[in-house]
Amino acid sequence: EPEVTQTPSHQVTQMGQEVILRCVPISNHLYFYWYRQILGQKVEFLVSFYNNEISEKSEIFDDQFSVERPDGSNFTLKIRSTKLEDSAMYFCASNGQGRETQYFGPGTRLLVL
Amino acid sequence: GDSVTQMEGPVTLSEEAFLTINCTYTATGYPSLFWYVQYPGEGLQLLLKATKADDKGSNKGFEATYRKETTSFHLEKGSVQVSDSAVYFCALTPQRGADGLTFGKGTHLIIQP
Repeated sequence: EPEVTQTPSHQVTQMGQEVILRCVPISNHLYFYWYRQILGQKVEFLVSFYNNEISEKSEIFDDQFSVERPDGSNFTLKIRSTKLEDSAMYFCASNGQGRETQYFGPGTRLLVL
Repeated sequence: GDSVTQMEGPVTLSEEAFLTINCTYTATGYPSLFWYVQYPGEGLQLLLKATKADDKGSNKGFEATYRKETTSFHLEKGSVQVSDSAVYFCALTPQRGADGLTFGKGTHLIIQP
């Protein structure tokens, strides 16, 4: 069964450093998403991406964040200058059409020191 | 804006007990409703969904019915197992426009043998 994959599974970085989180969505999906989950809190929507552009973003997704689909398979989330409060689990998701079931990857746990 | 409210945990039950996890929502129109499950150390998995009023989603013995009149989507299972121990998230996508999922805070379910 096809699945969403994410790399790395864990990343530790110093405050102020740039990080890139990578996702490979399900191959025939067209809509891609990033979410985050701060430890012990709810899952929060960050951004959705369709047709090579952002279709929706939350207020969390400020200028420090960017997304890109650099090739036909990868979907990345970049945090330009990490802050302590960026420490969280980041989930990628995809679906074939907007508002259909979203399929989630296993997540990347980011720790900013 | 849209919101999801679910009962706080942890919820502790004995094996074979009946389970109800309450979920209510606020949204305009007719959102699609979902239950996702997160097992320890893993990502989010879709458990079940319903896309219109009075629909019943079901999977692995779990059920939830979309109640428009009470804006609810309560999760039920007749006889829980130790393997059902996980965090359960209620979520919605709105009828129009934005397609990011709005999640509840999650309910930690602990099943004791």
